[in-house]
Amino acid sequence: DVKVTQSSRYLVKRTGEKVFLECVQDMDHENMFWYRQDPGLGLRLIYFSYDVKMKEKGDIPEGYSVSREKKERFSLILESASTNQTSMYLCASSFLAELQETQYFGPGTRLLVL
Amino acid sequence: QKEVEQNSGPLSVPEGAIASLNCTYSDRVSQSFFWYRQYSGKSPELIMSIYSNGDKEDGRFTAQLNKASQYVSLLIRDSQPSDSATYLCAVRPRNSGNTPLVFGKGTRLSVIA
Repeated sequence: DVKVTQSSRYLVKRTGEKVFLECVQDMDHENMFWYRQDPGLGLRLIYFSYDVKMKEKGDIPEGYSVSREKKERFSLILESASTNQTSMYLCASSFLAELQETQYFGPGTRLLVL
Repeated sequence: QKEVEQNSGPLSVPEGAIASLNCTYSDRVSQSFFWYRQYSGKSPELIMSIYSNGDKEDGRFTAQLNKASQYVSLLIRDSQPSDSATYLCAVRPRNSGNTPLVFGKGTRLSVIA
């Protein structure tokens, strides 16, 4: 079974704090993704990575950065948290394949910024 | 901008009926299509994938793909209250393994006992 884990299920931070969200997958997947999900807006891609030390901007990268130092780990960083970053954050991973890029999601981190 | 459109719902069906969920996509060269189920407060989980025109069946679920009409659907037979969830349609816009999926906003299904 594919397993994608995220460091926290719930997180409460204050405005201006630096926030780290960690994601680890155990299936040797090349691709890893960070999304946020908000009511009415669906899943929005923040950043993704298809190799160690590689990163690509998604649709809403502003206010976020990422780090991928090891293949199994992909970190999302909020340099200075703001209230509009309160959201559900979802990590996903997948193999690099021609057609069958099935993305598997972690359990999610619900972040509240006060 | 690649788009995937779904009716947000809620779609309400009685227990035992067939639920039909629909999705259209804008990128004609899309090759891979996925249906995810997401329970409230949980993360999306893959139900089915489909790559060729026609129907693909897995238990009570059938995915249908029509590339000419840029349309993909999910049928759930003998709907159960446990099927009540949001169903996300996802499309990979081109035939490249590192292209992220594009997700629709989801259709909320409610199965009434």
